[in-house]
Order: sequence, then C-alpha cells, then structure tokens
Amino acid sequence: AAGVIQSPRHLIKEKRETATLKCYPIPRHDTVYWYQQGPGQDPQFLISFYEKMQSDKGSIPDRFSAQQFSDYHSELNMSSLELGDSALYFCASSNRGSANTGELFFGEGSRLTVL
Amino acid sequence: AQSVAQPEDQVNVAEGNPLTVKCTYSVSGNPYLFWYVQYPNRGLQFLLKYITGDNLVKGSYGFEAEFNKSQTSFHLKKPSALVSDSALYFCAVRGRGSQGNLIFGKGTKLSVKP
Repeated sequence: AAGVIQSPRHLIKEKRETATLKCYPIPRHDTVYWYQQGPGQDPQFLISFYEKMQSDKGSIPDRFSAQQFSDYHSELNMSSLELGDSALYFCASSNRGSANTGELFFGEGSRLTVL
Repeated sequence: AQSVAQPEDQVNVAEGNPLTVKCTYSVSGNPYLFWYVQYPNRGLQFLLKYITGDNLVKGSYGFEAEFNKSQTSFHLKKPSALVSDSALYFCAVRGRGSQGNLIFGKGTKLSVKP
C-alpha cells in the first residue's frame, strides 16, 4: 500500500540558510500534519492543513511556513535556520474519516542537520 | 490542556515474558488515546487506539491496551515479548478542538533481551 512520502530524507544546511521539505500524503488523504522531533524528544506538532487550508497551528516558529497544494502535497519552508532546528521532521496524513478518530499515517521523516 | 504522561523512560523485559508500558492521561472531555511505535530512524507506526467501547483494545503485532477511566490510564501490554518488539513507544492523545492533531508523551524505550 502507498505510504506517506517525504523528501529529502536527509538535508544538511548552514546557519541562516533556508530549507524546504516536501510531503506527499497517501492518495485520497486530504489532511497533512507536520511534526518536529528533536534528539531524544517526543514529536511536537507544528501545523496542519485540510483541503489546502491551514486547519491547526502548534509550536511552529515564525521563521517557518507551510502550505498544501492542489494535489494535496505539502511543503514546509524553513528560513534563517538555527542550530536548534536540527531535528527529524515528520509529515503525517489522514482522511476526514480517520482524522476524527485520530489515526495518522506517518512518513519516514526528513532529518535536517544545521551546521 | 490535553496531555499524556509516560512515567518510565525505559522498560526492560526478557523475551517471552509479558510486557507493560505505562501511560496516564489528562483530558477535557472524552479521551481519544493512541499508541504508536517508532523503530530507529523510522517514522511512527500506529499500533492501536481507544475511542469508545470496550476498555480492552487489541492492536497490531499482538499488542493490546486497557483503558481505565478511574485511574486515567491507558497502559500498553503484550502477553509474550519478542526481541523484535524493542523500539520506542509513544502514547498520544488527540488535541482538544483540533482536526486530528496528536499530542505525544515523552516516549518509553522498550528493550527485550533474548
């Protein structure tokens, strides 16, 4: 079965650079979530989109932005990168039905390292 | 605010023994509770959920969890542990008023020794 696809899987950037992460949800899933997991930490919710509109916002820094496109894929844009942004970034998707019961399907994650 | 707590950073069990990974919750309204498993450098995989109904929930890979309202707990259990069960386990609760956003506990590392 198709899963959530994230790219790139690994990314190395310098401080103050920008980075863009992409997420392709499971086909027919209309909701996308972004999570950040620091080393040894639990995943922290950043932001979510439903039908291309922002539906919920968590602890996303102002330096970050995200959007969901017409084909339901999503991109997380991170600017003025800081060392503390080094983390595993997960995308998850769900459809309206499973969203109401909370089952999210996660991608393998994108590991961002800021030097 | 919705939250879950996992009191143990690590749980060690011998293969073939029963295992329990603990989780307690604090919510407003009815709790939507979940367990996810994470293998090293991998994404989170859904194990099971409690929404309503029977307090004993059965999930993937032989895992089950018991919802206990009086103790506000949702412990994960398995009758006989396998070495391959060694991983990081996260308890989660659905955020209040959200479209499905999950709030995770700190995680418990399960180590199963042969």
